[in-house]
Amino acid sequence: EAQVTQNPRYLITVTGKKLTVTCSQNMNHEYMSWYRQDPGLGLRQIYYSMNVEVTDKGDVPEGYKVSRKEKRNFPLILESPSPNQTSLYFCASSLPGEQFFGPGTRLTVL
Amino acid sequence: AQKVTQAQTEISVVEKEDVTLDCVYETRDTTYYLFWYKQPPSGELVFLIRRNSFDEQNEISGRYSWNFQKSTSSFNFTITASQVVDSAVYFCALSEAYGANNLFFGTGTRLTVIP
Repeated sequence: EAQVTQNPRYLITVTGKKLTVTCSQNMNHEYMSWYRQDPGLGLRQIYYSMNVEVTDKGDVPEGYKVSRKEKRNFPLILESPSPNQTSLYFCASSLPGEQFFGPGTRLTVL
Repeated sequence: AQKVTQAQTEISVVEKEDVTLDCVYETRDTTYYLFWYKQPPSGELVFLIRRNSFDEQNEISGRYSWNFQKSTSSFNFTITASQVVDSAVYFCALSEAYGANNLFFGTGTRLTVIP
């Protein structure tokens, strides 16, 4: 079954404690991306990757890092989380005209 | 630059009423894709439809229909005979046809269907 998985699904953490949200896809897609969703703002892109070792900033990259060492994985790293990064995060894997979203990770930073 | 506007923040209708969710987009690209997604209270994003910029045919799927008009840069979504299960946040989105396929989302419309 084609899918995008994210872990963890829910996370409560404290300011400054490094965390990683993993994202994995089994469709051999080259394109992957991360979005955050905030009330009244819709989904905004954080980072995207067009292939292994090729990543670029989206609209709201501050405070985040990503890596793409393998085609299937695209982790999102928060080196020093802050409360304004409390959000719902979605990973996506895509082909032209087709987007596959993970189930979302709800992150709370206290 | 790409931009998607969903001017309706919240809509409430009584069950069985019809409701139209508006979506207006901006892009310089001549080839692009338009999408609608549903986000139920559980939080996941549910794909509803994709439309290629070359295909202006309206589409109907059960109680759902979509009206794509390039002349007004709009891609509106109508739910006929709404049901309580239609209560959700609905997002309209635009993506490039080439390159990174990044999605540009509107801010969403929260639909509440009252029994």
